[in-house]
Amino acid sequence: KAGVTQTPRYLIKTRGQQVTLSCSPISGHRSVSWYQQTPGQGLQFLFEYFSETQRNKGNFPGRFSGRQFSNSRSEMNVSTLELGDSALYLCASSVFGQVNEKLFFGSGTQLSVL
Amino acid sequence: AQTVTQSQPEMSVQEAETVTLSCTYDTSESDYYLFWYKQPPSRQMILVIRQEAYKQQNATENRFSVNFQKAAKSFSLKISDSQLGDAAMYFCAYNGAYGGSQGNLIFGKGTKLSVKP
Repeated sequence: KAGVTQTPRYLIKTRGQQVTLSCSPISGHRSVSWYQQTPGQGLQFLFEYFSETQRNKGNFPGRFSGRQFSNSRSEMNVSTLELGDSALYLCASSVFGQVNEKLFFGSGTQLSVL
Repeated sequence: AQTVTQSQPEMSVQEAETVTLSCTYDTSESDYYLFWYKQPPSRQMILVIRQEAYKQQNATENRFSVNFQKAAKSFSLKISDSQLGDAAMYFCAYNGAYGGSQGNLIFGKGTKLSVKP
């Protein structure tokens, strides 16, 4: 089985722009969650989607949004980019997103905001 | 709110030796899950080991084992017979068993492990 695929691997944007990141989960996985990783704040939970519905959301401003499609692929969008949005964005998937399941992570999208 | 603390930003171990990474957490929940994840330079987080709080027995996975002290809220990771491929960032993580989902993990800040040949 193919692993979790995130595209693009690297992205450079300027302040004020918007960006869309993509995540394709492992085949058969219906839960997709997103994390932001920065040197200062570490790993922080953004949101989780299950069967096209947002099931959980972290403490991030409304500029951060996401969605999930019927094939379980997910996108996250950040509007009006700020310098502080520079981070590694990680996506993870599991079958049902239950606490006793194993999470599979992608290799992330490194976003740089100039 | 739950918190996870890793007090060792960096650790170093000689190849074939044993190293222990520390993690403490704070929670008022009685049932929860604890995890150790490894993040090599490839950036992909990989689950190393998982412990369910209601299980008294410490989890083990080959060369990796944990020392879970529920009363002390401590969850350390022991790596035996360290190998060069073990060099990575190691993150301790917590997830409550109720009301949350597997995706809503709370991570510590990580420990960078170096393995010397």
